[in-house]
Amino acid sequence: DADVTQTPRNRITKTGKRIMLECSQTKGHDRMYWYRQDPGLGLRLIYYSFDVKDINKGEISDGYSVSRQAQAKFSLSLESAIPNQTALYFCATSALRGQGSTDTQYFGPGTRLTVL
Amino acid sequence: SQQGEEDPQALSIQEGENATMNCSYKTSINNLQWYRQNSGRGLVHLILIRSNEREKHSGRLRVTLDTSKKSSSLLITASRAADTASYFCATVTQGAQKLVFGQGTRLTINP
Repeated sequence: DADVTQTPRNRITKTGKRIMLECSQTKGHDRMYWYRQDPGLGLRLIYYSFDVKDINKGEISDGYSVSRQAQAKFSLSLESAIPNQTALYFCATSALRGQGSTDTQYFGPGTRLTVL
Repeated sequence: SQQGEEDPQALSIQEGENATMNCSYKTSINNLQWYRQNSGRGLVHLILIRSNEREKHSGRLRVTLDTSKKSSSLLITASRAADTASYFCATVTQGAQKLVFGQGTRLTINP
């Protein structure tokens, strides 16, 4: 079974709709991240969370919000989707420093989102 | 802004040849990591090298780090068709607690 899962895997929606992408992990990691990837580009950080009560904006947080419902769950919302949010979205986890962490991140399979 | 820049953007070689990819970065780092991404899939961690290390090996992978030049290279020896993927470097800068990814090198291994 996959350690980091994302739902849905694919989603097509219309401009203005609210969308939620969900991420769950069984790795027991404290840290979770949301990235987006555009064609031919690397990953850009949207939000990250170092524990349930800690939420931080990343490089491109405008237009997005997140919720850390539990240690194992981290969801990303697009309140009013727009076409330039069409991208591949990845969730990732890592262990907390001081617990043998090496900052290595473990990625989910991705969600392909298309906003029409 | 992206910390790492990779070179080349695309590389196509014959199976069995060695593949070398380079990554340059701008600010002092704590460590540098390489990840592989098969088409449309999640990234997989390959290897991590710390700022006080100069070279590291893992199987057919060899990573070097030159902090004076702020650069790293990833060498894949005896390439296989299954090595076809995009390869990304990512850095953890000193004082930061998150990864910053480069734009990647797309590697194609021709049979």
